[in-house]
Amino acid sequence: GAGVSQSPSNKVTEKGKDVELRCDPISGHTALYWYRQRLGQGLEFLIYFQGNSAPDKSGLPSDRFSAERTGESVSTLTIQRTQQEDSAVYLCASSLDGFGYGYTFGSGTRLTVV
Amino acid sequence: AQKVTQAQTEISVVEKEDVTLDCVYETRDTTYYLFWYKQPPSGELVFLIRRNSFDEQNEISGRYSWNFQKSTSSFNFTITASQVVDSAVYFCALSEAAVGSWGKFQFGAGTQVVVTP
Repeated sequence: GAGVSQSPSNKVTEKGKDVELRCDPISGHTALYWYRQRLGQGLEFLIYFQGNSAPDKSGLPSDRFSAERTGESVSTLTIQRTQQEDSAVYLCASSLDGFGYGYTFGSGTRLTVV
Repeated sequence: AQKVTQAQTEISVVEKEDVTLDCVYETRDTTYYLFWYKQPPSGELVFLIRRNSFDEQNEISGRYSWNFQKSTSSFNFTITASQVVDSAVYFCALSEAAVGSWGKFQFGAGTQVVVTP
């Protein structure tokens, strides 16, 4: 597609439920990133996929967070047993070369845990 | 460790005024990249510029200009003759060039720019 697409745009969930967030990168972009943005703050790195290499999961805050990506296509970020502190905007970005140029961010998924 | 500091939380200006956003960073790496992103109310992050640590040449793009000073670890951003459409949150970010660090931006907290007519 023309841009990075994320769904849903908004998600309200009850504490303790699992949620799945989806990211559709730009076609041909080998690199895909997930970031979290808490209200009024900058972005926190979560996870990075580059082609078929093992993902860099060093930013995942706990084992309740996981992400998958099949090849160079769609990625899903799953949060299990959601907590109120998980409330944030989750942003996905893709890049042609994984090296800064051409990073394109999606509009994000606003997650609210009540 | 990386750290990016944007000391200004919010800047309010009247249209046509110039506004300068400060960014100070810390890194132990000699090779790194600095970025500025704009986040309008729609929420999508818009890439503005990337600068590598070996290129200290200042850059101008239309009403935007950037001043990179390695000696003071600063990468400041100026909007000249601001317009209402410039109202947004602006983020400065740092990424090390080492393999394994690609894409792992360290973002500043952002500066909210409010331009009033």
